[in-house]
Amino acid sequence: GAGVSQSPSNKVTEKGKDVELRCDPISGHTALYWYRQRLGQGLEFLIYFQGNSAPDKSGLPSDRFSAERTGESVSTLTIQRTQQEDSAVYLCASSRLTRGTGELFFGEGSRLTVL
Amino acid sequence: EDKVVQSPLSLVVHEGDTVTLNCSYEVTNFRSLLWYKQEKKAPTFLFMLTSSGIEKKSGRLSSILDKKELFSILNITATQTGDSAVYLCAVGVGNKLVFGAGTILRVKS
Repeated sequence: GAGVSQSPSNKVTEKGKDVELRCDPISGHTALYWYRQRLGQGLEFLIYFQGNSAPDKSGLPSDRFSAERTGESVSTLTIQRTQQEDSAVYLCASSRLTRGTGELFFGEGSRLTVL
Repeated sequence: EDKVVQSPLSLVVHEGDTVTLNCSYEVTNFRSLLWYKQEKKAPTFLFMLTSSGIEKKSGRLSSILDKKELFSILNITATQTGDSAVYLCAVGVGNKLVFGAGTILRVKS
C-alpha cells in the first residue's frame, strides 16, 4: 500500500479483556516495528521484526504482550488481560532497510483506552 | 541503558522567530540520529544524520550532529504557525530507534 496502515484507529476496552491491533506495512518493507506512546511522552520500543529472522522482543513490557508477523506482511500486536496502564497510542512503523536503522515510516497509530 | 534527552520540553515563540531544539544522547552502539515532526498522530521524517559536522538543510529547517559531544540540534528559522508540533529526536541503536520525550513547539501568530 501507499503507507503504513493500522487498525483499529481507536479501541476502548474494559480492564481484563484482550485486544488485538493490526499493522499493514508498506509493500516491500522487510523491517516492522511496534512502539507505544503514552500521553505526553516519547515513543517506547516494543518489538522489531526483520524478514524471517527471530524478532527482537526486548521492549515488550510483560508477558501479556505478544506480536506476530507473517513473512513480510501484516503484523498483529496482542495485549492480554488489559490493564489501565496499557492505555496509549500504539504506533507501527516499517522500513526497507535490512540492517541497522534508517528512516522509519509510521502509521497513524491505534489509540487504546482501557477503562 | 540507552538514553536520549531533548530540551527544552516545550517552548512558545512568535511567527518569524528562530528556534533551536536540542538532543543529547548516551547509547552503546550509535548508528544514526533522526529527527521527526509529530503533529497529530504519525511522526513524519525530517532528517537523518550519521556524520559529525555536516549540516543537513531542508527549507527553513536544518540540523547538525556532534558525535564527540554526543548531541544534535534542529534549527527552524522564520517560524510559521504550521511549524507547531512535537519534534522528536531518535538515535539508531542496533536495529531500533530510541526516542527522546520530544519538544513541544507552539508558534503564535
